[in-house]
Amino acid sequence: DARVTQTPRDKVTEMGQEVTMRCQPILGHNTVFWYRQTMMQGLELLAYFRNRAPLDDSGMPKDRFSAEMPDATLATLKIQPSEPRDSAVYFCASGLSGGGNEQFFGPGTRLTVL
Amino acid sequence: AQRVTQPEKLLSVFKGAPVELKCNYSYSGSPELFWYVQYSRQRLQLLLRHISRESIKGFTADLNKGETSFHLKKPFAQEEDSAMYYCALRNQGAQKLVFGQGTRLTINP
Repeated sequence: DARVTQTPRDKVTEMGQEVTMRCQPILGHNTVFWYRQTMMQGLELLAYFRNRAPLDDSGMPKDRFSAEMPDATLATLKIQPSEPRDSAVYFCASGLSGGGNEQFFGPGTRLTVL
Repeated sequence: AQRVTQPEKLLSVFKGAPVELKCNYSYSGSPELFWYVQYSRQRLQLLLRHISRESIKGFTADLNKGETSFHLKKPFAQEEDSAMYYCALRNQGAQKLVFGQGTRLTINP
């Protein structure tokens, strides 16, 4: 049963520290998405990749956030420096490019910045 | 601009009662509409999409282009339906999804 995996599942850190979240998409999927979930805003798209190339990162604060895909089996989302307002659940999703294809979500990383 | 609005953050109904989760959208093209569900301690998963015109777990949703709505309905709610529900939209043929803010549905015994 292929699933998207994310690590860590929970992260508590102090303001100013660097945070790196990792995602392993389903093998063979060529699109990867990063979302942030908060009570106030719901689910917001931060960035997404197709064939490892960033297609849209307009939802991501550029000054502190960065997203990369070092290879087809790993996507990373980094926050440096972290701030309390970054506290949220960060979801990764993967899918196949092409209309009508479903996105499959990972379990999320719950980030708390003190 | 694409926008999805779920006017109710919280919705509580009794078991056996009908339930309707509202979703309105704004989009100038031909959108695809979806409902995603997140049960407690589980990952977000697709519940249904408008192009399938199917009923999943007793839920249905009809796309009303005149009212730009895609409300999710179930005639008789069950306790296991308690979850967070997200309505989402994307352009036909595209990958990017735009989500609403979500509605937390609680089914009371």
